[in-house]
Amino acid sequence: AQKITQTQPGMFVQEKEAVTLDCTYDTSDQSYGLFWYKQPSSGEMIFLIYQGSYDEQNATEGRYSLNFQKARKSANLVISASQLGDSAMYFCAMRVPGHGNQFYFGTGTSLTVIP
Amino acid sequence: DAGVTQSPTHLIKTRGQQVTLRCSPKSGHDTVSWYQQALGQGPQFIFQYYEEEERQRGNFPDRFSGHQFPNYSSELNVNALLLGDSALYLCASSFSGVFTGELFFGEGSRLTVL
Repeated sequence: AQKITQTQPGMFVQEKEAVTLDCTYDTSDQSYGLFWYKQPSSGEMIFLIYQGSYDEQNATEGRYSLNFQKARKSANLVISASQLGDSAMYFCAMRVPGHGNQFYFGTGTSLTVIP
Repeated sequence: DAGVTQSPTHLIKTRGQQVTLRCSPKSGHDTVSWYQQALGQGPQFIFQYYEEEERQRGNFPDRFSGHQFPNYSSELNVNALLLGDSALYLCASSFSGVFTGELFFGEGSRLTVL
């Protein structure tokens, strides 16, 4: 079965500090993609970063980086220099082409940035 | 370049009624997926449409049906509404030719069933 687990329901971080949001995944397929999305209170899911299972280097997009540890099946999101606008829900997701085109989402982590 | 647009943004229905939600995909995208997001949960896959046909379906009853039009826009229909259908319904579009293509989401339609 394909599954995403996010064990941190809520996180707090001081403005300008870095924060790590945890994500573990479960699949027996060798080919898969991992994604992180941000969901502000408006409801729209905003794509942040992507990591392919065969990518040897960790993905980075501006202040976002993905700490990919394949053997541990983890794909943690690191946000550097947190800003007040980073306060939102964050979802880890996985797509496994051998199991169709759907995305499997975790339950999310609510991040609050404190001024 | 317009992103994914959904309508209506909010609606209230009563049990047993039927609802239709609409979605226009991002320009250049040919695939539309629908997700249900209950309060405090992650999105759950309902189904995906490509070339006007349902290509894949999640674990949702037949009360949930959809359609894709030649211009790639899509509708989600839910019949015989239950209280448990109250949720945020998210439409996402993508381009079929790119595996690494992320889903682009709309802001959702928030359905309340009384």
